[in-house]
Amino acid sequence: DVKVTQSSRYLVKRTGEKVFLECVQDMDHENMFWYRQDPGLGLRLIYFSYDVKMKEKGDIPEGYSVSREKKERFSLILESASTNQTSMYLCASSFQISGSTDTQYFGPGTRLTVL
Amino acid sequence: AQRVTQPEKLLSVFKGAPVELKCNYSYSGSPELFWYVQYSRQRLQLLLRHISRESIKGFTADLNKGETSFHLKKPFAQEEDSAMYYCALAIYNQGGKLIFGQGTELSVKP
Repeated sequence: DVKVTQSSRYLVKRTGEKVFLECVQDMDHENMFWYRQDPGLGLRLIYFSYDVKMKEKGDIPEGYSVSREKKERFSLILESASTNQTSMYLCASSFQISGSTDTQYFGPGTRLTVL
Repeated sequence: AQRVTQPEKLLSVFKGAPVELKCNYSYSGSPELFWYVQYSRQRLQLLLRHISRESIKGFTADLNKGETSFHLKKPFAQEEDSAMYYCALAIYNQGGKLIFGQGTELSVKP
């Protein structure tokens, strides 16, 4: 059974703080993703990675960075948290399949509140 | 531009009624489409994908390239179908990247 875990379920931070969100998967997936989930906006891709030390910007990368030093771990970093980054953050992972797209497996989410 | 549109934020039906959740996409390539579902207090998970042509929990979805649609249907809704549903489009050759729609909340009343 695929397991994607996220370091925190709930997080409260102050404006300007540096925030780290961690995601770990145990299925040896090549691809990992960070999304934010907001009502009425659906899931929006922040960053993704298809290999260790590789990263690609998604649709809303501003204000975020990522790190993938090991295959199983993908970290999302908010360099200086702002109130408009209050959201639910979802991590996902999947295999790389040639010519097709594999199922993405999601973590439980981290609800971040920035005060 | 690549885009997925789910026009309904909320769909409310009675138990036993038919359900159709709409999804339209915009993509210049050959589309690969998915439906993901999130039940209350659970993780987002795959419901079905068009290439498998399966029926999952009584739901089906047919890809209509002419209308650029991938609507999700179920003939008789159950209360346990109440959830948030997301349609997603795979972008070819971009590391498994998906573009998600805005989501439709399905509420099935007893």
